[in-house]
Amino acid sequence: DQQVKQNSPSLSVQEGRISILNCDYTNSMFDYFLWYKKYPAEGPTFLISISSIKDKNEDGRFTVFLNKSAKHLSLHIVPSQPGDSAVYFCAASETSNTGKLIFGQGTTLQVKP
Amino acid sequence: EAGVTQFPSHSVIEKGQTVTLRCDPISGHDNLYWYRRVMGKEIKFLLHFVKESKQDESGMPNNRFLAERTGGTYSTLKVQPAELEDSGVYFCASSQDRVAAFFGQGTRLTVV
Repeated sequence: DQQVKQNSPSLSVQEGRISILNCDYTNSMFDYFLWYKKYPAEGPTFLISISSIKDKNEDGRFTVFLNKSAKHLSLHIVPSQPGDSAVYFCAASETSNTGKLIFGQGTTLQVKP
Repeated sequence: EAGVTQFPSHSVIEKGQTVTLRCDPISGHDNLYWYRRVMGKEIKFLLHFVKESKQDESGMPNNRFLAERTGGTYSTLKVQPAELEDSGVYFCASSQDRVAAFFGQGTRLTVV
């Protein structure tokens, strides 16, 4: 049973526009959420995170929104750049637990020039 | 500062053989994690070390997998004997706090 789901396998966006990547989770014990970016033949790179006590966290062009009642989070990238083209993974953790991350399947983002 | 380093980057072995993957975490990071991604699916947790102790090995698939972390520094993940379904990319990650933040580049294991 998948506890973290990214229902869109791929997303294509024009350069300069907004990219919105979505993630849903089922485990109400998750209290920390992260987004990772992955280029081919590389490991995931940490992008941005949010604690369950917040509903928004912003870092430059990247903003993560958390809707706890809907068990939904999203990553907004604005403006999108061609270098943002990668696979984006949503991950969740129970920090009171071992700290292990539960990942979604990933969404491939393509930003077209 | 060096990041998380994994060796080898690729390994192709025959079914039934043994393979050992190595991970050197970021210096000073007590937490070390192993993850695996199979067939382009989600990245799945295998186990977690705190220094040299196994904190959580609930994700280890079966007893053909053995992980060690000598002296709380580098870690090895041995697969013996390897099966076809073990093919995938094995990632190591390390962190100072309990949320894995830094990943290595991965070892792509192909069992034929």
